[in-house]
Amino acid sequence: NAGVTQTPKFRVLKTGQSMTLLCAQDMNHEYMYWYRQDPGMGLRLIHYSVGEGTTAKGEVPDGYNVSRLKKQNFLLGLESAAPSQTSVYFCASSLPTGIENYEQYFGPGTRLTVT
Amino acid sequence: EDQVTQSPEALRLQEGESSSLNCSYTVSGLRGLFWYRQDPGKGPEFLFTLYSAGEEKEKERLKATLTKKESFLHITAPKPEDSATYLCAVQADGTASKLTFGTGTRLQVTL
Repeated sequence: NAGVTQTPKFRVLKTGQSMTLLCAQDMNHEYMYWYRQDPGMGLRLIHYSVGEGTTAKGEVPDGYNVSRLKKQNFLLGLESAAPSQTSVYFCASSLPTGIENYEQYFGPGTRLTVT
Repeated sequence: EDQVTQSPEALRLQEGESSSLNCSYTVSGLRGLFWYRQDPGKGPEFLFTLYSAGEEKEKERLKATLTKKESFLHITAPKPEDSATYLCAVQADGTASKLTFGTGTRLQVTL
């Protein structure tokens, strides 16, 4: 099993450009998440999904959109990139809360720089 | 608002020198407390989940404990390969698996 994979690994954007980050998981997990990690800030939740076709806002959702058309995939979109969105983005997946072993499993990350 | 504070920010140990990392938390009803390890340039790797005060879990040289206000990650006789950033996170009741993370403790173990 590959676990959680993310595409691309690195990307440089100019201000105003758009892009989509792809997350895929092969663990048949119901829940998926997008986080960003910035120095001194810890991991912060951007959006999450509790099932195919559903999405919800996390702590820092502004400037991002998401879609979960298939259970195994969770897409994160930046419509008009800003320098403040320079960060490392992590995707994670888990079983639903209440089921044993519902810890989140993380992908390797995407390092995004917006100039 | 749920909060997680980890201390120290950085810790340097010699090989074999045991120590503990602290994770203090405030949450409106704890559903679970999680410990992760993160190596540079990699995603967090799951270590432990603790659910209630008094619970302990062990894995090799690591032992995690939980009280009503904090959790400790004890590292016994560390090796250089234990060098990493250790992250603590909490999940509150009724939050659909949403985690609140601390900023981590960066551990360096030298020979």
